[in-house]
Amino acid sequence: GAVVSQHPSWVICKSGTSVKIECRSLDFQATTMFWYRQFPKQSLMLMATSNEGSKATYEQGVEKDKFLINHASLTLSTLTVTSAHPEDSSFYICSASLPGDGKLFFGSGTQLSVL
Amino acid sequence: QQQVKQSPQSLIVQKGGISIINCAYENTAFDYFPWYQQFPGKGPALLIAIRPDVSEKKEGRFTISFNKSAKQFSLHIMDSQPGDSATYFCAASGSYNTDKLIFGTGTRLQVFP
Repeated sequence: GAVVSQHPSWVICKSGTSVKIECRSLDFQATTMFWYRQFPKQSLMLMATSNEGSKATYEQGVEKDKFLINHASLTLSTLTVTSAHPEDSSFYICSASLPGDGKLFFGSGTQLSVL
Repeated sequence: QQQVKQSPQSLIVQKGGISIINCAYENTAFDYFPWYQQFPGKGPALLIAIRPDVSEKKEGRFTISFNKSAKQFSLHIMDSQPGDSATYFCAASGSYNTDKLIFGTGTRLQVFP
């Protein structure tokens, strides 16, 4: 299947700092990528849809100023957690779909721990 | 109406047995139903998917059964193996937005030798 690479796999940061997570589609171009958040033993919750060359679309209840999304190219989307706090600690996962196929492929996820 | 209900929450199966996970949806506009497998600390991996034009799809030991009238679909894992121990998520999306998946709550499967 298509490969979606996510980096870093885990990150520990101090409260108040910002953290950037990268999501790349390695063997295909993705005009749309998705960012999910997952708490332990819970399902995936869609945070936002990242659109190449335009603003991201955020789901209800997700703070767009806190979770900055940039989709500058057809193969890269970034999620920046600004002024991170302990309650932002979670597993963040990106995904992208093959054009015209509809199948959604996920990155390996990023475990964020905010101290 | 956007929810996908999944059961059971957890499942324990002996090696060689059949694992069955069920999902139900309400939105009749949904027309794509994938199943994902997730290991701890990893992103979900697409396992198998079905569209409403067929009632069953089989890939190796994994089978999806789909009941359009009941708005239910299920995953059957035949000859379950310890390596199948993972969390399984069903999902659904509509042709209006095939990329925007709605996930079920997940089933934690444990297969004992």
